[in-house]
Amino acid sequence: AQSVTQLGSHVSVSEGALVLLRCNYSSSVPPYLFWYVQYPNQGLQLLLKYTSAATLVKGINGFEAEFKKSETSFHLTKPSAHMSDAAEYFCAVTQGGRDDKIIFGKGTRLHILP
Amino acid sequence: EAEVAQSPRYKITEKSQAVAFWCDPISGHATLYWYRQILGQGPELLVQFQDESVVDDSQLPKDRFSAERLKGVDSTLKIQPAELGDSAMYLCASSPRDSGLRNEQFFGPGTRLTVL
Repeated sequence: AQSVTQLGSHVSVSEGALVLLRCNYSSSVPPYLFWYVQYPNQGLQLLLKYTSAATLVKGINGFEAEFKKSETSFHLTKPSAHMSDAAEYFCAVTQGGRDDKIIFGKGTRLHILP
Repeated sequence: EAEVAQSPRYKITEKSQAVAFWCDPISGHATLYWYRQILGQGPELLVQFQDESVVDDSQLPKDRFSAERLKGVDSTLKIQPAELGDSAMYLCASSPRDSGLRNEQFFGPGTRLTVL
Protein backbone atom coordinates (compact mmCIF):
# COMPACT_ATOMS: atom_id res chain seq x y z
CA ALA A 1 0.00 0.00 0.00
CA GLN A 2 1.14 3.48 -0.74
CA SER A 3 1.38 6.28 1.78
CA VAL A 4 2.98 9.64 2.35
CA THR A 5 4.16 11.17 5.58
CA GLN A 6 4.56 14.90 5.91
CA LEU A 7 6.85 15.88 8.75
CA GLY A 8 5.52 18.85 10.67
CA SER A 9 1.90 19.91 10.58
CA HIS A 10 3.01 23.55 10.93
CA VAL A 11 6.16 25.22 9.63
CA SER A 12 7.07 28.87 10.17
CA VAL A 13 9.71 30.73 8.19
CA SER A 14 10.65 34.37 7.92
CA GLU A 15 9.94 36.26 4.74
CA GLY A 16 12.96 35.85 2.45
CA ALA A 17 14.16 32.68 4.16
CA LEU A 18 14.40 29.19 2.70
CA VAL A 19 11.23 27.12 2.67
CA LEU A 20 11.62 23.37 3.26
CA LEU A 21 8.57 21.12 3.57
CA ARG A 22 9.31 17.46 4.11
CA CYS A 23 7.59 14.48 2.54
CA ASN A 24 8.49 10.81 2.71
CA TYR A 25 6.65 8.20 0.69
CA SER A 26 6.08 4.49 0.81
CA SER A 27 5.37 2.60 -2.39
CA SER A 28 5.98 -0.93 -3.62
CA VAL A 29 6.36 0.28 -7.22
CA PRO A 30 8.00 3.36 -8.72
CA PRO A 31 5.71 6.16 -7.64
CA TYR A 32 4.35 9.31 -9.16
CA LEU A 33 4.56 12.14 -6.65
CA PHE A 34 2.81 15.49 -6.38
CA TRP A 35 2.79 18.62 -4.30
CA TYR A 36 -0.45 20.59 -4.08
CA VAL A 37 -1.14 23.93 -2.40
CA GLN A 38 -4.44 24.95 -0.82
CA TYR A 39 -5.33 28.50 0.13
CA PRO A 40 -8.08 29.06 2.74
CA ASN A 41 -11.51 27.90 1.59
CA GLN A 42 -10.24 26.97 -1.85
CA GLY A 43 -9.52 23.78 -3.73
CA LEU A 44 -6.11 22.27 -4.32
CA GLN A 45 -3.74 23.62 -6.97
CA LEU A 46 -0.95 21.52 -8.42
CA LEU A 47 2.49 22.95 -7.68
CA LEU A 48 4.60 20.27 -9.34
CA LYS A 49 4.74 16.58 -10.15
CA TYR A 50 7.35 13.83 -10.48
CA THR A 51 6.62 11.22 -13.16
CA SER A 52 9.93 9.33 -13.41
CA ALA A 53 11.71 11.82 -15.66
CA ALA A 54 14.13 14.30 -14.08
CA THR A 55 14.57 13.85 -10.35
CA LEU A 56 14.65 17.62 -9.76
CA VAL A 57 11.25 18.99 -10.59
CA LYS A 58 10.50 22.67 -10.96
CA GLY A 59 7.01 23.94 -10.36
CA ILE A 60 5.03 27.13 -10.21
CA ASN A 61 5.68 30.09 -7.92
CA GLY A 62 9.39 29.30 -7.60
CA PHE A 63 8.94 25.94 -5.86
CA GLU A 64 10.92 22.83 -6.67
CA ALA A 65 11.23 19.32 -5.29
CA GLU A 66 13.80 16.57 -5.57
CA PHE A 67 12.95 12.89 -5.81
CA LYS A 68 15.44 10.83 -3.79
CA LYS A 69 14.77 7.14 -4.13
CA SER A 70 17.44 6.14 -1.59
CA GLU A 71 15.76 8.30 1.04
CA THR A 72 12.18 7.74 -0.21
CA SER A 73 11.76 11.49 -0.01
CA PHE A 74 10.24 14.25 -2.11
CA HIS A 75 10.86 17.43 -0.14
CA LEU A 76 9.53 20.77 -1.37
CA THR A 77 11.78 23.84 -1.35
CA LYS A 78 11.74 27.49 -2.28
CA PRO A 79 14.82 29.69 -1.90
CA SER A 80 13.05 32.79 -0.65
CA ALA A 81 9.65 32.82 1.05
CA HIS A 82 7.00 35.41 0.20
CA MET A 83 4.02 36.37 2.33
CA SER A 84 1.79 35.00 -0.43
CA ASP A 85 3.22 31.50 0.14
CA ALA A 86 1.28 31.15 3.38
CA ALA A 87 -1.04 28.21 2.73
CA GLU A 88 -1.51 24.48 3.32
CA TYR A 89 0.71 22.16 1.31
CA PHE A 90 -0.08 18.53 0.53
CA CYS A 91 2.24 15.83 -0.71
CA ALA A 92 0.56 13.01 -2.64
CA VAL A 93 1.52 9.68 -4.20
CA THR A 94 0.04 7.40 -6.84
CA GLN A 95 1.15 4.42 -8.86
CA GLY A 96 0.26 6.26 -12.05
CA GLY A 97 -2.29 3.97 -13.62
CA ARG A 98 -5.42 5.71 -14.83
CA ASP A 99 -7.61 4.22 -12.13
CA ASP A 100 -5.03 4.37 -9.36
CA LYS A 101 -5.90 6.41 -6.31
CA ILE A 102 -3.94 9.47 -5.28
CA ILE A 103 -3.10 9.21 -1.60
CA PHE A 104 -2.65 12.56 0.13
CA GLY A 105 -0.61 13.36 3.19
CA LYS A 106 -2.14 15.19 6.13
CA GLY A 107 -0.72 18.51 5.02
CA THR A 108 1.71 21.11 6.33
CA ARG A 109 0.55 24.61 7.07
CA LEU A 110 3.20 27.14 6.11
CA HIS A 111 3.31 30.38 8.08
CA ILE A 112 5.38 33.31 6.82
CA LEU A 113 6.72 35.67 9.47
CA PRO A 114 7.29 39.32 8.50
CA GLU B 1 -8.73 29.00 -18.36
CA ALA B 2 -11.10 26.07 -17.82
CA GLU B 3 -12.00 25.32 -14.22
CA VAL B 4 -13.96 22.81 -12.21
CA ALA B 5 -17.14 24.42 -10.91
CA GLN B 6 -18.83 23.50 -7.64
CA SER B 7 -21.92 24.76 -5.90
CA PRO B 8 -22.85 25.77 -3.35
CA ARG B 9 -19.58 27.07 -1.88
CA TYR B 10 -20.98 26.92 1.65
CA LYS B 11 -23.83 24.92 3.15
CA ILE B 12 -25.16 24.90 6.69
CA THR B 13 -27.70 22.28 7.59
CA GLU B 14 -29.14 20.54 10.60
CA LYS B 15 -28.49 16.91 11.30
CA SER B 16 -30.95 14.49 9.74
CA GLN B 17 -31.54 16.85 6.82
CA ALA B 18 -30.64 16.05 3.21
CA VAL B 19 -27.94 17.97 1.35
CA ALA B 20 -26.70 17.88 -2.22
CA PHE B 21 -23.58 19.19 -3.88
CA TRP B 22 -23.03 19.77 -7.57
CA CYS B 23 -19.87 19.58 -9.66
CA ASP B 24 -19.21 20.49 -13.29
CA PRO B 25 -15.78 19.19 -14.41
CA ILE B 26 -13.54 20.72 -17.03
CA SER B 27 -15.04 20.12 -20.46
CA GLY B 28 -13.85 16.86 -21.97
CA HIS B 29 -12.50 15.40 -18.73
CA ALA B 30 -13.66 11.81 -18.50
CA THR B 31 -12.72 11.12 -14.90
CA LEU B 32 -14.43 12.82 -11.98
CA TYR B 33 -13.62 12.47 -8.31
CA TRP B 34 -15.37 13.44 -5.09
CA TYR B 35 -13.20 13.89 -2.03
CA ARG B 36 -13.96 14.67 1.60
CA GLN B 37 -11.47 16.80 3.50
CA ILE B 38 -11.89 16.97 7.26
CA LEU B 39 -10.34 20.02 8.88
CA GLY B 40 -6.62 19.51 9.42
CA GLN B 41 -6.34 16.50 7.15
CA GLY B 42 -5.71 15.70 3.51
CA PRO B 43 -8.48 14.87 1.03
CA GLU B 44 -9.84 11.33 1.07
CA LEU B 45 -11.45 9.84 -2.02
CA LEU B 46 -15.16 9.10 -1.72
CA VAL B 47 -16.01 8.10 -5.28
CA GLN B 48 -14.41 8.05 -8.72
CA PHE B 49 -16.29 8.07 -12.03
CA GLN B 50 -15.00 7.18 -15.46
CA ASP B 51 -17.58 8.78 -17.76
CA GLU B 52 -20.90 7.74 -16.18
CA SER B 53 -19.58 4.59 -14.51
CA VAL B 54 -18.39 4.28 -10.93
CA VAL B 55 -14.78 3.07 -10.83
CA ASP B 56 -14.25 3.19 -7.08
CA ASP B 57 -16.73 3.88 -4.30
CA SER B 58 -15.13 1.71 -1.67
CA GLN B 59 -14.85 4.62 0.81
CA LEU B 60 -18.34 6.01 0.21
CA PRO B 61 -20.66 5.48 3.22
CA LYS B 62 -23.42 4.03 1.10
CA ASP B 63 -26.01 3.99 3.86
CA ARG B 64 -26.24 7.78 3.66
CA PHE B 65 -24.14 8.97 0.70
CA SER B 66 -24.96 8.64 -2.97
CA ALA B 67 -23.32 9.98 -6.11
CA GLU B 68 -24.35 10.07 -9.71
CA ARG B 69 -23.01 11.25 -13.04
CA LEU B 70 -25.89 10.34 -15.30
CA LYS B 71 -24.68 11.75 -18.61
CA GLY B 72 -20.99 11.48 -17.89
CA VAL B 73 -20.59 15.21 -17.49
CA ASP B 74 -21.68 16.92 -14.28
CA SER B 75 -22.18 15.10 -11.02
CA THR B 76 -24.18 15.31 -7.81
CA LEU B 77 -23.18 14.06 -4.36
CA LYS B 78 -25.98 13.63 -1.85
CA ILE B 79 -26.04 13.00 1.88
CA GLN B 80 -29.24 11.84 3.55
CA PRO B 81 -29.50 12.12 6.48
CA ALA B 82 -26.60 14.40 7.38
CA GLU B 83 -24.74 13.71 10.62
CA LEU B 84 -22.55 15.97 12.73
CA GLY B 85 -19.45 14.08 11.60
CA ASP B 86 -20.15 14.96 7.97
CA SER B 87 -18.98 18.51 8.54
CA ALA B 88 -16.07 18.89 6.13
CA MET B 89 -14.97 20.36 2.81
CA TYR B 90 -16.22 18.36 -0.16
CA LEU B 91 -13.93 18.68 -3.15
CA CYS B 92 -14.57 17.72 -6.73
CA ALA B 93 -11.75 17.07 -9.18
CA SER B 94 -11.47 15.97 -12.78
CA SER B 95 -8.74 14.61 -15.01
CA PRO B 96 -8.35 14.19 -18.76
CA ARG B 97 -9.19 10.95 -20.52
CA ASP B 98 -5.73 10.02 -21.66
CA SER B 99 -3.46 13.00 -22.05
CA GLY B 100 -0.32 11.57 -20.54
CA LEU B 101 -0.82 13.71 -17.47
CA ARG B 102 -1.01 10.58 -15.38
CA ASN B 103 -3.54 11.19 -12.66
CA GLU B 104 -3.05 14.96 -12.63
CA GLN B 105 -6.27 16.11 -11.10
CA PHE B 106 -7.78 19.58 -11.36
CA PHE B 107 -9.72 20.62 -8.28
CA GLY B 108 -12.74 22.81 -7.84
CA PRO B 109 -13.07 25.36 -5.00
CA GLY B 110 -15.00 22.94 -2.80
CA THR B 111 -18.20 23.05 -0.78
CA ARG B 112 -17.80 23.60 2.93
CA LEU B 113 -20.53 21.75 4.81
CA THR B 114 -21.42 22.52 8.40
CA VAL B 115 -23.88 20.21 10.14
CA LEU B 116 -25.47 21.62 13.29
